[in-house]
Amino acid sequence: GAVVSQHPSWVICKSGTSVKIECRSLDFQATTMFWYRQFPKQSLMLMATSNEGSKATYEQGVEKDKFLINHASLTLSTLTVTSAHPEDSSFYICSAAGLAGGRQETQYFGPGTRLLVL
Amino acid sequence: DAKTTQPTSMDCAEGRAANLPCNHSTISGNEYVYWYRQIHSQGPQYIIHGLKNNETNEMASLIITEDRKSSTLILPHATLRDTAVYYCIVSGTASKLTFGTGTRLQVTL
Repeated sequence: GAVVSQHPSWVICKSGTSVKIECRSLDFQATTMFWYRQFPKQSLMLMATSNEGSKATYEQGVEKDKFLINHASLTLSTLTVTSAHPEDSSFYICSAAGLAGGRQETQYFGPGTRLLVL
Repeated sequence: DAKTTQPTSMDCAEGRAANLPCNHSTISGNEYVYWYRQIHSQGPQYIIHGLKNNETNEMASLIITEDRKSSTLILPHATLRDTAVYYCIVSGTASKLTFGTGTRLQVTL
């Protein structure tokens, strides 16, 4: 149980284009989903928190107009990187928080999406 | 959320127990201790979490000191596949996990 998927697993795009990444909780309903970013040899940095049906809360320094988050259902959240530039190249990881297994709410992570902007 | 301190790296021989320490001296009464690990180029994997009692599951054991200021993650029989960065995180809820630099565990033959 507690499986979170991401699609695509990797993407290469041209500078100026937009890229959408999907995050799904496959076997539980996620009240909250999170998006993180990880640059090489660094730790994960939280970008934003989203709750189903409401606007995402962005961390300081993260542009909400550049990183659009939609949390349309209890099992799906999407991150759209708009007008991507080479500096947006990174490893994007989502997580979903839910009562998987009946225990206190725990955060489970997807496998990540590697974005390369040329 | 409380800050944690972990050793930068550790080595462990395959088949032996790996004991990963974590200090969280400023932990609050309602904060849990979570452990995740990240194998290279993958998303973090949930291992275990606890509040004040010791916990055990199929992956590991978590030993929390009585004053809750430190904890130890125990992998009872480490294998090469356990080589990863292990993160100890203290959080009031499953929300807003703040990842530090973790401990890089290298399991060797």
